[in-house]
Amino acid sequence: ETGVTQTPRHLVMGMTNKKSLKCEQHLGHNAMYWYKQSAKKPLELMFVYSLEERVENNSVPSRFSPECPNSSHLFLHLHTLQPEDSALYLCASSQDTGSGEKLFFGSGTQLSVL
Amino acid sequence: QQQVKQSPQSLIVQKGGISIINCAYENTAFDYFPWYQQFPGKGPALLIAIRPDVSEKKEGRFTISFNKSAKQFSLHIMDSQPGDSATYFCAATPGSTLTFGKGTMLLVSP
Repeated sequence: ETGVTQTPRHLVMGMTNKKSLKCEQHLGHNAMYWYKQSAKKPLELMFVYSLEERVENNSVPSRFSPECPNSSHLFLHLHTLQPEDSALYLCASSQDTGSGEKLFFGSGTQLSVL
Repeated sequence: QQQVKQSPQSLIVQKGGISIINCAYENTAFDYFPWYQQFPGKGPALLIAIRPDVSEKKEGRFTISFNKSAKQFSLHIMDSQPGDSATYFCAATPGSTLTFGKGTMLLVSP
């Protein structure tokens, strides 16, 4: 399997649920990212990890909690979300954060919060 | 404050026509300008990119035109095909994380 793989592809959760999104990259990259994609809005960078260390956190609410156990895996833990958090959540990787412009994206998890 | 402004929001072009998408930026520190293409159900994928030391870059039917003084760049798709129907995002970076435009939904009619 190649590229960046995200699971699940679709997720429906209530506001009191706890769920996790998973991302795995098979490219040997050192940097991984979480982006939020909402309709008619620019892609919003949420978190950046470089060699399993968080290097950027763009004022994301604490109900989103990232985890990067190694350079190939990235998780986004979700709890007590709000309906406005419904969006497509994209994982991406790059060789390193210095070349962050060359991103390789997964297909995303479409999240609906009821 | 949106740092990369993209237009139009949507575009319909006939097969064989030229599709043009425009972006403008504000930050003069930006030095890399990629375009990403996203098909439904897929993540964005890098399509073509340019640095400000050249005014144009062409790859097949896709061309980026860059105007440094105007702080504008555009994507031209020549001989547009139905398979080009997708959402296109411009982006810019000073060398680290990307700032994206809002995207343009392109539909190429048969």
